[in-house]
Amino acid sequence: SQQGEEDPQALSIQEGENATMNCSYKTSINNLQWYRQNSGRGLVHLILIRSNEREKHSGRLRVTLDTSKKSSSLLITASRAADTASYFCATGRGSTLGRLYFGRGTQLTVWP
Amino acid sequence: DVKVTQSSRYLVKRTGEKVFLECVQDMDHENMFWYRQDPGLGLRLIYFSYDVKMKEKGDIPEGYSVSREKKERFSLILESASTNQTSMYLCASSPPWGTGATTGANVLTFGAGSRLTVL
Repeated sequence: SQQGEEDPQALSIQEGENATMNCSYKTSINNLQWYRQNSGRGLVHLILIRSNEREKHSGRLRVTLDTSKKSSSLLITASRAADTASYFCATGRGSTLGRLYFGRGTQLTVWP
Repeated sequence: DVKVTQSSRYLVKRTGEKVFLECVQDMDHENMFWYRQDPGLGLRLIYFSYDVKMKEKGDIPEGYSVSREKKERFSLILESASTNQTSMYLCASSPPWGTGATTGANVLTFGAGSRLTVL
């Protein structure tokens, strides 16, 4: 499979704590993206990191990419109850008309 | 605010019925996609289109067809619905490959999803 695989499948934390989710993939990529999905809704793009980048920040989000280990992590700092959602990584290979390969997601629950 | 609109949030159909799922985007995007999402399986690509009247099979095209007669509209068709097609269907669109801040990457804008139940 060309899918990414997120780990853990589920994560439960208290408000104010940091949440870390990981993504591993098998093929070479030219970019990796993280998406968020609130229950029963569509996905929303959060952040894009390219294969020649190691780290990116966006607000409370920090993404790292290690192409030698074929893995990425998403860190959400100072989590809020509103961050409760599923988080998906998606990999792009720079070919095949730009299609993305999605993982199965991490369900994050942030308790007030 | 830019949008991808899926015509039906919830549908209930009977086995053997022909089902149309409609998706419209107002961003003038060239690329459009149909995914299905099932628990434990993540998102799987059914079909995608990179231009009007063009279509490409994704990973699970069997039992589905698509139509793209206009740039803004991408329809998913289940010719004869079956119970194993009960799922959440997600439409997405993206700008042309290699443009703007996301040059060389394909950033998707998703619709809210259509939850289909086939009885």
